[in-house]
Amino acid sequence: QSALTQPPSASGSPGQSVTISCTGTSSDVGGYNYVSWYQHHPGKAPKLMIYDVSKRPSGVPDRFSGSKSGNTASLTVSGLQAEDEADYYCSSYAGSNTAVFGGGTQLTVL
Amino acid sequence: EVQLVQSGAEVKKPGESLKISCKGSGYSFTSYWIGWVRQMPGKGLEWMGIMYPGDSKTRYSPSFQGQVTMSVDKSIRTAYLQWSSLKAPDTAMYYCARLLYYDGSGLPGFDIWGQGTMVTVSS
Repeated sequence: QSALTQPPSASGSPGQSVTISCTGTSSDVGGYNYVSWYQHHPGKAPKLMIYDVSKRPSGVPDRFSGSKSGNTASLTVSGLQAEDEADYYCSSYAGSNTAVFGGGTQLTVL
Repeated sequence: EVQLVQSGAEVKKPGESLKISCKGSGYSFTSYWIGWVRQMPGKGLEWMGIMYPGDSKTRYSPSFQGQVTMSVDKSIRTAYLQWSSLKAPDTAMYYCARLLYYDGSGLPGFDIWGQGTMVTVSS
């Protein structure tokens, strides 16, 4: 199992939208609709933002949305706010009751 | 309140053994899979494995199979991660987390996370 590929960094100004990609293979992202996204502020526990590709847990703002096309999943953050600045990780089911994370993307709100 | 509370930071020497814990509360502990996630200093998250407290079934990532052991004591609602012989590269933050649900078709993600346990291995 190899880590999913994410861009190391992304940025946007307040109010703008930013999309973070997460590329895997047909054995993980492309093969299942079990992609999740986490927000991780340094020093805190990660927070689930999206699961099952595009579902939001209760309490997560609808500014956060997820999608998938082929072997690539995406997280879009609309209406960027200062508090969105964090590291974001994707994760995908990889078969045999295991999963894999992406390398992480540091999102900067300019 | 649904929460997972982990044991405190540990400082160990290479070759020593260690068992860290993760106590669940506020939900049916035996009905949800518990997973472990590693974050080495300055690095990303790594999926280590999951365990079902109801029957102690485990699934390990190939990268961690044989390197760590997951266990559970459901009588005290506590999951464990242990090492028999620590190495310096085991230095990391370790998180436990609850699997959102399990339908047998895949793994949807972790919805509740512990606060993390920092493990430092140094001579």
